Parts: sequence; structure tokens; C-alpha cells
Amino acid sequence: SQQGEEDPQALSIQEGENATMNCSYKTSINNLQWYRQNSGRGLVHLILIRSNEREKHSGRLRVTLDTSKKSSSLLITASRAADTASYFCATSLTGGGNKLTFGTGTQLKVEL
Amino acid sequence: EPEVTQTPSHQVTQMGQEVILRCVPISNHLYFYWYRQILGQKVEFLVSFYNNEISEKSEIFDDQFSVERPDGSNFTLKIRSTKLEDSAMYFCASPKQGRAEAFFGQGTRLTVV
Repeated sequence: SQQGEEDPQALSIQEGENATMNCSYKTSINNLQWYRQNSGRGLVHLILIRSNEREKHSGRLRVTLDTSKKSSSLLITASRAADTASYFCATSLTGGGNKLTFGTGTQLKVEL
Repeated sequence: EPEVTQTPSHQVTQMGQEVILRCVPISNHLYFYWYRQILGQKVEFLVSFYNNEISEKSEIFDDQFSVERPDGSNFTLKIRSTKLEDSAMYFCASPKQGRAEAFFGQGTRLTVV
């Protein structure tokens, strides 16, 4: 079974709109993180939310975590063309050290 | 912003050849990881390395793979006899001790022909 599955797989919006991406997971976690990947490049850490937190903000990013539903969402407000990238959730499992298990990713395209 | 540096950025190799991918992790970090991403797929964990030994490895990390920290700074991933299906981006990552966030290198794109 997949630890991290994201939806939608692809999302296309206009600049200025909000983008919401969802992530579901299956096992108990220590924390959930969101990473961004520009095409063919490395992963950049965006935000981390711990298992005892429900919501976190960082600039235009808002992350929620619902451990009862084993799901998280990433909201990017007032999107810009430069936000175009793939976004991955990654979980750090209880008892699993800091090893990250990544989701399938959402490809976000923000059009002018 | 701390940096994890990987070399080379792109390597093309013949099937059956050995390759060594190099990473310079952030100094004073103790945990190091290798991940790979086959084109269009998700990032997969390969191996974690702590205190100069493997702490965990995935099913992907079979006998063809090995990791070393030969000189106390560089961290290498060796694939002994490459296969076509080893073609992927390989990422080195290094979380700060006590922190969960990982700093990833820019990756090495390995193409096996």
C-alpha cells in the first residue's frame, strides 16, 4: 500500500488564485513535511507539521493535518507563475528515524 | 542556507559499469541519506547512514549498492554493475541533528545506456 498519495496529480490555475493539494497516508507519523521540486532539480523543504499540530502557516503557505483521517493539505494563496513546480508530501514515521516516505506528488502549473 | 553538494550533476554510463556518485553533506551533520527518483515517479528512500555505518536500507538497496564516507566529509553511493533500470535522479540528503527537515542536494542524473 502507498504511504503517501496525493491529489490532484496535476493542477492548473491562473496567477492570483489559490492552489490546494491533498496528501493521504496510512501509518502513524511523527511529522509530515511538504517539499517543492522544480523540473529536474532537487527538493526544497517548505514546511513541517508535527503529529500533535493541526495547522501551520508560513508566508503564503498553509498546511493542515488531520491525524484521524490520516490526511494533510497544502494551500498556496495568491499563486504566482514562479510557484509552478511539483509538490510532494513526505512523512516521517513513528519509530522510523528521520527517513522520509514521499507521496506521488502534485504538478502545479500557474499560468499568467 | 546550508547546502548539500552533489557531483557529478549528470553521468552517462554503459550497462554493467560501476558508478560512484558523490555528495558533500552539511558539515557537523550526522545522518545522511540517499534517495532516488525514476523519471516521472516519486522519490524513494535507498539508505540511511549514521555514525559511519548503514542504519537502514530499503529493498531497492541490494548487493549492487554500497555507501561509504571515505574521508570523513564526502559521502558516496556506489553501484557496482549498473542496469538500465538504475537510470534515475539520485539525491543525497542531510537533516540537521535534532531536526526532521532534510536538506537535499541538486541530484545526480544517472543515465545507463
